[in-house]
Amino acid sequence: GAVVSQHPSWVICKSGTSVKIECRSLDFQATTMFWYRQFPKQSLMLMATSNEGSKATYEQGVEKDKFLINHASLTLSTLTVTSAHPEDSSFYICSARPGESDEQYFGPGTRLTVT
Amino acid sequence: GQQLNQSPQSMFIQEGEDVSMNCTSSSIFNTWLWYKQDPGEGPVLLIALYKAGELTSNGRLTAQFGITRKDSFLNISASIPSDVGIYFCAGRRAGSEKLVFGKGTKLTVNP
Repeated sequence: GAVVSQHPSWVICKSGTSVKIECRSLDFQATTMFWYRQFPKQSLMLMATSNEGSKATYEQGVEKDKFLINHASLTLSTLTVTSAHPEDSSFYICSARPGESDEQYFGPGTRLTVT
Repeated sequence: GQQLNQSPQSMFIQEGEDVSMNCTSSSIFNTWLWYKQDPGEGPVLLIALYKAGELTSNGRLTAQFGITRKDSFLNISASIPSDVGIYFCAGRRAGSEKLVFGKGTKLTVNP
């Protein structure tokens, strides 16, 4: 149980284009989903917290107009990187929290490369 | 944001040896979680701890929630090659949905 999927697993896009990443909780409902960014050999850095049906809460320094988050249902959250630039290249990972649980279950991650 | 102090940063051990790593903080946490991450994958939850002093096992893994609520350790007994990876501790403060992560411990197991 507690499986989280992400799609795509990797994507290459040209500078200036937008990319959408999906995060789904497959066997539970997630009232809260989180989006993280991870650079090589570093820990996970929280970008935003997403609650179903409401606007996402972004961490300090994360541009909400650049990283659009939509949490349309209890099993799906999307992250759209708008007008991507090479510095946006990174490993993006989502996590989902079942109900009021203290635990977070992570997706397999999406490797974004912007050329 | 603030991170937990996780040590050691890396470990090189022989197969069969036991491993211990820990996380400390200057502030109190209500929940401690331990994750393992393989290259190119998302972290996988190993053990969750909810009460001060709690000792929980998952196979060869044992983790404890420090009595002061400011630290936690993870032990791996009789290591095997598939234990290789990066182990992260994460803590949640009261009233917060967010997890604070350690910087990770990279484990290498030599056969």
